Amino acid sequence: QQPVQSPQAVILREGEDAVINCSSSKALYSVHWYRQKHGEAPVFLMILLKGGEQKGHDKISASFNEKKQQSSLYLTASQLSYSGTYFCGRGTGANNLFFGTGTRLTVIP
Amino acid sequence: DTEVTQTPKHLVMGMTNKKSLKCEQHMGHRAMYWYKQKAKKPPELMFVYSYEKLSINESVPSRFSPECPNSSLLNLHLHALQPEDSALYLCASSDDTTNTEAFFGQGTRLTVV
Repeated sequence: QQPVQSPQAVILREGEDAVINCSSSKALYSVHWYRQKHGEAPVFLMILLKGGEQKGHDKISASFNEKKQQSSLYLTASQLSYSGTYFCGRGTGANNLFFGTGTRLTVIP
Repeated sequence: DTEVTQTPKHLVMGMTNKKSLKCEQHMGHRAMYWYKQKAKKPPELMFVYSYEKLSINESVPSRFSPECPNSSLLNLHLHALQPEDSALYLCASSDDTTNTEAFFGQGTRLTVV
């Protein structure tokens, strides 16, 4: 039930861009993105509800390809504060959310 | 108030002990969740309560027993746990729909000895 994310880990220098991919073998009714810093709770980034939808705020955006059951998270001009583990979440249409395998992002000066 | 409060923050218990984890939110959310997270792994869904009724149990062993006394509180009763149950237990809440964000508590770090 768990979506698969790639890459598993990535290291960026400040100002560089990154793409995190999320792929599900089961239908995606919605896609959620969260970031979790070490020792902290996951924090919501955004939800995509419809195939073809794209969302973004600040320099973080995401897209959702419902037919391919995939989503991508785009981080541009990365900042040190972007470091953490990013999880996509598969919404099933019921009140549950299954997190993906996670991508550990490290931004260095 | 957009906080989900979990107590205790840390818990060490023996395999014969009984203990409870507590979660509280005052955002008026009607869905509440328990997740288990092992180190360097994603959170795994355990239970979902919707309008104070258990709606989802992800095949969790009976040594974990959830309870929702009212719309603001969620408990997780623990009994006869195994060392492999040691993990971070996260509580979350959301409006009663999958199309809104979930707010997570800081978690209870549980160690079973």
